[in-house]
Amino acid sequence: AQKVTQAQTEISVVEKEDVTLDCVYETRDTTYYLFWYKQPPSGELVFLIRRNSFDEQNEISGRYSWNFQKSTSSFNFTITASQVVDSAVYFCALITQGGSEKLVFGKGTKLTVNP
Amino acid sequence: GAVVSQHPSWVICKSGTSVKIECRSLDFQATTMFWYRQFPKQSLMLMATSNEGSKATYEQGVEKDKFLINHASLTLSTLTVTSAHPEDSSFYICSVRRGVRDTQYFGPGTRLTVL
Repeated sequence: AQKVTQAQTEISVVEKEDVTLDCVYETRDTTYYLFWYKQPPSGELVFLIRRNSFDEQNEISGRYSWNFQKSTSSFNFTITASQVVDSAVYFCALITQGGSEKLVFGKGTKLTVNP
Repeated sequence: GAVVSQHPSWVICKSGTSVKIECRSLDFQATTMFWYRQFPKQSLMLMATSNEGSKATYEQGVEKDKFLINHASLTLSTLTVTSAHPEDSSFYICSVRRGVRDTQYFGPGTRLTVL
């Protein structure tokens, strides 16, 4: 069975602070894909990144960076110099090829960036 | 990311009426479309998976006679909440993807309030 754990329910930071959102996943499949989505107060889920299990390279996109480590089954997300607009709920998700082929979501981490 | 539209964005109805929600994939032909439900401060709960031209596959505990799904084309799926009751009030989100290896994109959601 697949599982995604986001242990941090809520995080509150002050603007310009760096913040890391944790994501730990479980799967027995060797081919899988990991995702991060952002859900601002408006409700729409915005796709941020997709990673496949064979690509452990870390990725940076502006102030966002992702650290994928298969050894610890983690796919953590860091926001550098956070801004108020980063306030949202962030979901980590997993889909495996050969499994249910459905996205499995973590429970989400609510990030509040205060001015 | 791909553009997914949902209509209406919000709806208020009386108990006992039926409500239809449309989901359109605007950027590509979606082999598979999904319907989710989200309660306040919770993660997304998959209701059903829909493939064009075939019957939807419902998750355990989701009443197929209450939540009718029609995947009429590769770009359109509809969810009809029949004889809605206050407990059906929720945020409904659709999602589209080409294949298992592809990213799943989400619509902006529909907030349903049943009085």
